Amino acid sequence: AQSVSQHNHHVILSEAASLELGCNYSYGGTVNLFWYVQYPGQHLQLLLKYFSGDPLVKGIKGFEAEFIKSKFSFNLRKPSVQWSDTAEYFCAVQTGANNLFFGTGTRLTVIP
Amino acid sequence: DAGVIQSPRHEVTEMGQEVTLRCKPISGHDYLFWYRQTMMRGLELLIYFNNNVPIDDSGMPEDRFSAKMPNASFSTLKIQPSEPRDSAVYFCASSLRRSSYEQYFGPGTRLTVT
Repeated sequence: AQSVSQHNHHVILSEAASLELGCNYSYGGTVNLFWYVQYPGQHLQLLLKYFSGDPLVKGIKGFEAEFIKSKFSFNLRKPSVQWSDTAEYFCAVQTGANNLFFGTGTRLTVIP
Repeated sequence: DAGVIQSPRHEVTEMGQEVTLRCKPISGHDYLFWYRQTMMRGLELLIYFNNNVPIDDSGMPEDRFSAKMPNASFSTLKIQPSEPRDSAVYFCASSLRRSSYEQYFGPGTRLTVT
């Protein structure tokens, strides 16, 4: 069965620190990859997505992610976090069946 | 566009009562998804529809849960009878096939069953 693993449950950073959140998936076929963000009390919003082409994708608010097919990974990065980035981040994998499988999420707390 | 609309935003009910959650997808979207989010299990897909037809309901936890989509602009998720373990945030999402399945989420309904 398909699964999505997010290695970090809770990450605490100071402002201006660099961020990398891990995401690995298990599925042998073609996938679409997503990172969603959920700010406190709000719904999920799309940060970025990868369907094909350049494996380094840039999203909103300075986030980027790199698809490494050989490692089944799609890690999220940001060079310098801000307090407003405090949120929960979800990696998601979409298979050909149109199902979207979410990881369990990583809670990011940025300390001013 | 107003985005995906869900109602109510919060629902508190007693065990054994019927609960109905509502969703209006983005106009023109042909896929609709219902998800449940809990601390223990994260985000789980319950069921999804394509052109108002249920395609995969394997995520529906048990027979107490049912979902309908009578037309392209409205869907309901019903729990009858409700139990405390159903307490969660329920999200509805919609997507348009031509835009490569990117899903847009609604604000969610926070359900508390006492």
